[in-house]
Amino acid sequence: GDSVTQMEGPVTLSEEAFLTINCTYTATGYPSLFWYVQYPGEGLQLLLKATKADDKGSNKGFEATYRKETTSFHLEKGSVQVSDSAVYFCALSDLLSSASKIIFGSGTRLSIRP
Amino acid sequence: EAQVTQNPRYLITVTGKKLTVTCSQNMNHEYMSWYRQDPGLGLRQIYYSMNVEVTDKGDVPEGYKVSRKEKRNFPLILESPSPNQTSLYFCASSDPPSGGGYEQYFGPGTRLTVT
Repeated sequence: GDSVTQMEGPVTLSEEAFLTINCTYTATGYPSLFWYVQYPGEGLQLLLKATKADDKGSNKGFEATYRKETTSFHLEKGSVQVSDSAVYFCALSDLLSSASKIIFGSGTRLSIRP
Repeated sequence: EAQVTQNPRYLITVTGKKLTVTCSQNMNHEYMSWYRQDPGLGLRQIYYSMNVEVTDKGDVPEGYKVSRKEKRNFPLILESPSPNQTSLYFCASSDPPSGGGYEQYFGPGTRLTVT
């Protein structure tokens, strides 16, 4: 079945450091890929998405490129801020295998030191 | 403001005492889902609904019930809670998926502890 694997956390960085959170997937069809972010005490909210190969999603300085050849969707940001501290979830929706849900990775907790 | 609301936000209960967590959305979405979030496991879908009176099991439905009598509401019912249902629960809603996949909108979560 479809699945998402993302790097284990926690990840701790200093402010203004470069961030990469790795995400790889397996899917039956041609999935759409997402990054969701969960700030402390809140629900998940969509950070960015890409719907086909080579698409780049971007938002709030974060970027991720849909790489079909490596089945990856790594999240990057050039200069992180304390306010980026949160849990990040990579996810996919694959209409071929299931139209009813999004499959999530296990989440990566990010902490940014001032 | 477009939102998904859940109540209560925090709940401590005892084994076997029936409880209901309510979920309501004001975006006229057809799809609604319940997830539970556990450390190291990400989010796992419990039940989903594609429209009024249409519900189906997700990946971890045991011990839960749902109903969808109105489009905006999708309550989660635990008839006889057990300690292994201690978790953080999220309700989500969305439009039906299109060719580009779809975005789910999440509620703020309900932290349930069963002793």
